[in-house]
Amino acid sequence: DAGITQSPRHKVTETGTPVTLRCHQTENHRYMYWYRQDPGHGLRLIHYSYGVKDTDKGEVSDGYSVSRSKTEDFLLTLESATSSQTSVYFCAIGTATNYGYTFGSGTRLTVV
Amino acid sequence: KNEVEQSPQNLTAQEGEFITINCSYSVGISALHWLQQHPGGGIVSLFMLSSGKKKHGRLIATINIQEKHSSLHITASHPRDSAVYICAAEGGSEKLVFGKGTKLTVNP
Repeated sequence: DAGITQSPRHKVTETGTPVTLRCHQTENHRYMYWYRQDPGHGLRLIHYSYGVKDTDKGEVSDGYSVSRSKTEDFLLTLESATSSQTSVYFCAIGTATNYGYTFGSGTRLTVV
Repeated sequence: KNEVEQSPQNLTAQEGEFITINCSYSVGISALHWLQQHPGGGIVSLFMLSSGKKKHGRLIATINIQEKHSSLHITASHPRDSAVYICAAEGGSEKLVFGKGTKLTVNP
């Protein structure tokens, strides 16, 4: 969907370096989410935001931080990347009052 | 915490077969979502259900609130239906808890 874009699509980084993933939406949705997807696990919530400067932790938030300074942008930062953070990261937008959720195309992150 | 279980984990069918994927959850929810993920990774919302049944083309989703169970049916399956199907339970906090997915392969 053109309403939500993630960047970069692929990234390889070294252990110990900081990494920032960007999620950009044009739908003016209040709620935005960051998930990670790993083999053997369902999608797991890292952090979410319910408004500008309003964020909260999900079930796998350790090692991650987020920021939302504008409605349209939700940034996920790995403060010091580790190999266990190698994953596919998805951003999503939506609320319970909408039809459903819209997901970004994903970012495949490899930490070497 | 809500637990979401899907079955089967893997499903192989012949083109034209009727397919059912099941999803059970452990606590009350405000909505149940069905998602589709094709090889290459994109995730698409198929249905959001809070009661009853919804239909879109060859796909039908049902939910039984009392039994905490939902099913996704595909009629007249086609190879292009091959994908991972994911159910997700939404509680009052507007956060989703996902099942691990069912990988469907439809052979011609």
